[in-house]
Amino acid sequence: EPEVTQTPSHQVTQMGQEVILRCVPISNHLYFYWYRQILGQKVEFLVSFYNNEISEKSEIFDDQFSVERPDGSNFTLKIRSTKLEDSAMYFCASSEDNPSANYGYTFGSGTRLTVV
Amino acid sequence: LAKTTQPISMDSYEGQEVNITCSHNNIATNDYITWYQQFPSQGPRFIIQGYKTKVTNEVASLFIPADRKSSTLSLPRVSLSDTAVYYCLVGYASSNTGKLIFGQGTTLQVKP
Repeated sequence: EPEVTQTPSHQVTQMGQEVILRCVPISNHLYFYWYRQILGQKVEFLVSFYNNEISEKSEIFDDQFSVERPDGSNFTLKIRSTKLEDSAMYFCASSEDNPSANYGYTFGSGTRLTVV
Repeated sequence: LAKTTQPISMDSYEGQEVNITCSHNNIATNDYITWYQQFPSQGPRFIIQGYKTKVTNEVASLFIPADRKSSTLSLPRVSLSDTAVYYCLVGYASSNTGKLIFGQGTTLQVKP
């Protein structure tokens, strides 16, 4: 079964440092997403990406966040200057087609980001 | 996007059938109903999706009444490995961007 791969699985960083979380979506998928989950809380939408541009972003996704698809396989989330409250699991997801039809997402296993 | 209501937690025993019901009174005509499963420290996993009546796959069944204001996820003969959080999502079909809105989900604890 095809998988969404995320690296690293766990990252510890100092407050104020930049981090880049990496994802390799399923190869024939066209829609890409980032979500996060603070420990004990809901899974929260951050951003969706299609056709090399952001299609929607949440209020969490402020100027400190950016996404990029630098080549045909990787999809990255950058946090420019991390804060303690950015500590969370970050999940990448992808979907094959316009998710208005009978397609679910495939999520990766996540990157646990710890800001100290 | 339609708001959903589901029980916060449920307990079951191995071998039993588990039914988790989700209410979504404000579901829109074009909305699908989708269920995800999440194990600790893992990403949500798509289980099943339906629009009306009944859908069945190798993992679960989804029952949707005619008015579509609720849906029931049915897990046959659960095992300990089915212990997870189950999320009911409605309405992402209304969003061109595919954003999913997760609630708190139902934490299912399967006991031996």
